[in-house]
Amino acid sequence: EPEVTQTPSHQVTQMGQEVILRCVPISNHLYFYWYRQILGQKVEFLVSFYNNEISEKSEIFDDQFSVERPDGSNFTLKIRSTKLEDSAMYFCASSVGYGYTFGSGTRLTVV
Amino acid sequence: TQLLEQSPQFLSIQEGENLTVYCNSSSVFSSLQWYRQEPGEGPVLLVTVVTGGEVKKLKRLTFQFGDARKDSSLHITAAQPGDTGLYLCAGDIGTSGSRLTFGEGTQLTVNP
Repeated sequence: EPEVTQTPSHQVTQMGQEVILRCVPISNHLYFYWYRQILGQKVEFLVSFYNNEISEKSEIFDDQFSVERPDGSNFTLKIRSTKLEDSAMYFCASSVGYGYTFGSGTRLTVV
Repeated sequence: TQLLEQSPQFLSIQEGENLTVYCNSSSVFSSLQWYRQEPGEGPVLLVTVVTGGEVKKLKRLTFQFGDARKDSSLHITAAQPGDTGLYLCAGDIGTSGSRLTFGEGTQLTVNP
């Protein structure tokens, strides 16, 4: 079964540092997403990406966040200057229509 | 802002019992999806319903989308310990590729 692969599985970073979370979506999928889940809270939408550009973003996705699909297979989320409140599980997902396939997530801890 | 409310938040039952969990909203959704999430893992898609009144079955799981496309239910027959997990509903209001709004989930525990 095709999978969405995320690396790293865990990342600890100091406040103010930049982090890049990486994802390899399913190869024939067209839509790519980042979601996050703060511990004990619900899954929240960050951004969607289609045809090499952002198609939708949430109010959480401010200027500190950016996404990129640098080489046709990887999909990255960059946080420029991390804050304590950025600590969460970050999930990448991809879809070809309805119904997403999520990766296993990156647990980001900002200290 | 679209909100999805799931109930109950927690459910603990004995093996062999039947159960129903609910997902309600005041908003109309284009599709409603059900996921199951294990601790430390990403949500895994169980089913997508797109037509008002639609019923889909996945072995012992039955999913229904409300006629007005504002609510959905998940019914499990003869629950087994392997059904233990967090069940999430998620809806989208646009075409395929639009954002999903998630509910907070129902944590199901099936005791042997």
